Amino acid sequence: EPEVTQTPSHQVTQMGQEVILRCVPISNHLYFYWYRQILGQKVEFLVSFYNNEISEKSEIFDDQFSVERPDGSNFTLKIRSTKLEDSAMYFCASNRWASGSPDTQYFGPGTRLTVL
Amino acid sequence: RKEVEQDPGPFNVPEGATVAFNCTYSNSASQSFFWYRQDCRKEPKLLMSVYSSGNEDGRFTAQLNRASQYISLLIRDSKLSDSATYLCVVLFSGGYQKVTFGIGTKLQVIP
Repeated sequence: EPEVTQTPSHQVTQMGQEVILRCVPISNHLYFYWYRQILGQKVEFLVSFYNNEISEKSEIFDDQFSVERPDGSNFTLKIRSTKLEDSAMYFCASNRWASGSPDTQYFGPGTRLTVL
Repeated sequence: RKEVEQDPGPFNVPEGATVAFNCTYSNSASQSFFWYRQDCRKEPKLLMSVYSSGNEDGRFTAQLNRASQYISLLIRDSKLSDSATYLCVVLFSGGYQKVTFGIGTKLQVIP
């Protein structure tokens, strides 16, 4: 069964450093998402991406964040200058999304980001 | 009112028990509803979609009440392996797809 993959599984960085989290969505999916989950809190939507552009972003997704699909398979989340409060689990998800019908999002295993 | 509201629990139930979780949502224009399961420090995994007519998958039954903006999940004959956090997920599809998660309800099945 195809699955979403993410690398690295754990990233430790110093405050102020840039990090890039990588995701390989399921190959025939068209819509891509990033979520984060701070320990003990709920899963929070960050951004959705379709047709090489952001389709929706939350208030969390400020100028420090950016996303890119640099090639046909990878989908990346960049945090330019990490803060302590960016420490969280970051999940990538993808789906095909046929408008008007429910379409499940499939989640990757996550990258645990620790900012020191 | 929170967009998606769940009782965080924990619900501690003995093996074999029946347990029900509820979820309410605030956006009446929401279109699709799901229950996901999340094990500790793992990614959410789809348990089942929720339809107005109700749907069943083995020991799991999900129900949607659009008038009350209420979703439920019933687990019969609980197994130890059912111990997890159950996430209520609400989706709005307009020109974009917005997914909102509840905080999750933690279930612990006790031998």
